[in-house]
Amino acid sequence: AQKVTQAQTEISVVEKEDVTLDCVYETRDTTYYLFWYKQPPSGELVFLIRRNSFDEQNEISGRYSWNFQKSTSSFNFTITASQVVDSAVYFCALSEAGDYKLSFGAGTTVTVRA
Amino acid sequence: DAGITQSPRHKVTETGTPVTLRCHQTENHRYMYWYRQDPGHGLRLIHYSYGVKDTDKGEVSDGYSVSRSKTEDFLLTLESATSSQTSVYFCAISDRGAGPLTDTQYFGPGTRLTVL
Repeated sequence: AQKVTQAQTEISVVEKEDVTLDCVYETRDTTYYLFWYKQPPSGELVFLIRRNSFDEQNEISGRYSWNFQKSTSSFNFTITASQVVDSAVYFCALSEAGDYKLSFGAGTTVTVRA
Repeated sequence: DAGITQSPRHKVTETGTPVTLRCHQTENHRYMYWYRQDPGHGLRLIHYSYGVKDTDKGEVSDGYSVSRSKTEDFLLTLESATSSQTSVYFCAISDRGAGPLTDTQYFGPGTRLTVL
């Protein structure tokens, strides 16, 4: 069974603050993939990042960074120096190798105030 | 951006009527998916396709059917719409290969369906 938990329902910050979104997942597979998607107020779903279970290297891409820890089954996502345009719902998702399904968390709504 | 369109973008219909939503892609991707998005649930998979005429059920498939007669089109049909099917429906596509983004799903703009 797959399960993705995003415990934070809503986060509100002031512009330029850092925002960290938590994601905890459950899977019995040894090979799996983790994703973050962004859904701005306009409604589309935008792919942000992907991490494979066999690669625990954490990376930074522009203002985005992520912290993948298999030992705690967590895949946290950080926006550095947030901007108003970062206001959106962010979804963490999981898929297992060979499975076509993406299992989504319930989402975290991020509001960045000017 | 992935070339995915959905039609219609908005639809209001009455309980008991049939409804068909269309997803069209220009990426020639093999895999296509239909999800529904409801508050508090994230997105849930309805049906998916792994090739022309090859489809299978997802976790919330009751009340829905799909068809894929061409690589580029994936249709979702509600045979007799109910109020519980009021939702936002997203189509997604993915492909398999050797690149780092293989199996990454890209989403269409969504269709907002209201069943009265």
